[in-house]
Amino acid sequence: DTGVSQDPRHKITKRGQNVTFRCDPISEHNRLYWYRQTLGQGPEFLTYFQNEAQLEKSRLLSDRFSAERPKGSFSTLEIQRTEQGDSAMYLCASSLGGRAADTQYFGPGTRLTVL
Amino acid sequence: AQSVSQHNHHVILSEAASLELGCNYSYGGTVNLFWYVQYPGQHLQLLLKYFSGDPLVKGIKGFEAEFIKSKFSFNLRKPSVQWSDTAEYFCAVSKGTNAGKSTFGDGTTLTVKP
Repeated sequence: DTGVSQDPRHKITKRGQNVTFRCDPISEHNRLYWYRQTLGQGPEFLTYFQNEAQLEKSRLLSDRFSAERPKGSFSTLEIQRTEQGDSAMYLCASSLGGRAADTQYFGPGTRLTVL
Repeated sequence: AQSVSQHNHHVILSEAASLELGCNYSYGGTVNLFWYVQYPGQHLQLLLKYFSGDPLVKGIKGFEAEFIKSKFSFNLRKPSVQWSDTAEYFCAVSKGTNAGKSTFGDGTTLTVKP
């Protein structure tokens, strides 16, 4: 399968713990996006990268959230001191970038449950 | 900030019925428009997209959507639904000529009864 992959698929943690998720985009894609989705809502933008540069970060993203894409390939999303409100599906998407017709391809997501 | 509104939260149809799902967005500039589908247990997949040209866009599995700029709408249609179309449908918008993030609606759950 050469699509977007995410690891882990499920994560259960206790409040206050740190968690890290990984996303591997489609290999030739320059852009990588992180979204969060809660029940009954559509995906909500968190941040995106063009190669290794983080180009935009949502104002909704607190200082507890950080994302990296160190070599312009895979990306990690870390949540520090998790709270129950962080429970959600975290989605990664990738795209070629740089044109209006850009299409994002989504991974299966990581479901986070904070107890 | 741009927003996307999907009017129907849950639609129930019988097989062979026609489908139209509404989507309106609030951004006034150049937009790129998308419909995604999420089948039960699967991840988001692109159904169709509009970025320029013919406002009537055809996608996979017999779906189509029409961009009406004056109404800020991008409604999804299918003339005859099948049980396998049961899924959640999301409308999304990105702006400008160098599309970045997408803003999604809250989705419409479609249930097709056999």
